[in-house]
Amino acid sequence: EVQLLESGGGLVQPGGSLRLACAASGYTFSTYAMSWVRQAPGKGLEWVSAISGPGGSTRYADSVKGRFTMSRDNSKNMLYLQMNSLRDEDTAVYYCAKDTQSLTFGGVIVPYYFDCWGQGTLVTVS
Amino acid sequence: EIVLTQSPGTLSLSPGERATLSCRASQSVISSYLAWYQRKPGQAPRLLIYGASSRAIGIPDRFSGSGSGTDFTLTIRRLEPEDSAVYYCQQYGSSPTFGGGTKVEIK
Repeated sequence: EVQLLESGGGLVQPGGSLRLACAASGYTFSTYAMSWVRQAPGKGLEWVSAISGPGGSTRYADSVKGRFTMSRDNSKNMLYLQMNSLRDEDTAVYYCAKDTQSLTFGGVIVPYYFDCWGQGTLVTVS
Repeated sequence: EIVLTQSPGTLSLSPGERATLSCRASQSVISSYLAWYQRKPGQAPRLLIYGASSRAIGIPDRFSGSGSGTDFTLTIRRLEPEDSAVYYCQQYGSSPTFGGGTKVEIK
């Protein structure tokens, strides 16, 4: 059974940093791209970032570009999101999500749709 | 960025009825790269439909998707109490975006 378990959320002051982690199990982790998706209170889902299966390509939403860094350790089946210069508007539940493939175009990851999601971890910037 | 607008915001129906959920894109979605998810309180989103009309593994055939270009529909036939949830559409032809969701309530 595919499982994703996020951790690392918490309360942080504006301008601070936080590192989220996502532990994956039940499938060949390195084969598939991964994404982070967030949901702010009372808002809809927002795609944040994606990383290719091998980890060589990343892509970010404009709202987090330059502040967030996504990485993965395929030897440990772990996904990470380093969040710096946090803002009030980054307050949200953050989900890691498994993509159904690991496609790149011109060397850039192309996120598709997500067939497994974690339960989420809450990040509060205040 | 492709903006997805879902309607209605809330749908209140009785068991056995049919639910029709709409997802409209601000520009054409490449190759019908549109997915639908179900989200129940306290649970992770669950993939229902991809490629606009293909059901994900384990999804009952009561759920069906249709549409192309800018207009897409999720239909849930013979509603059951367990279908009570928020449903989201997502396009993945370009940088992924999600709709705002439609809440389905079962009376």
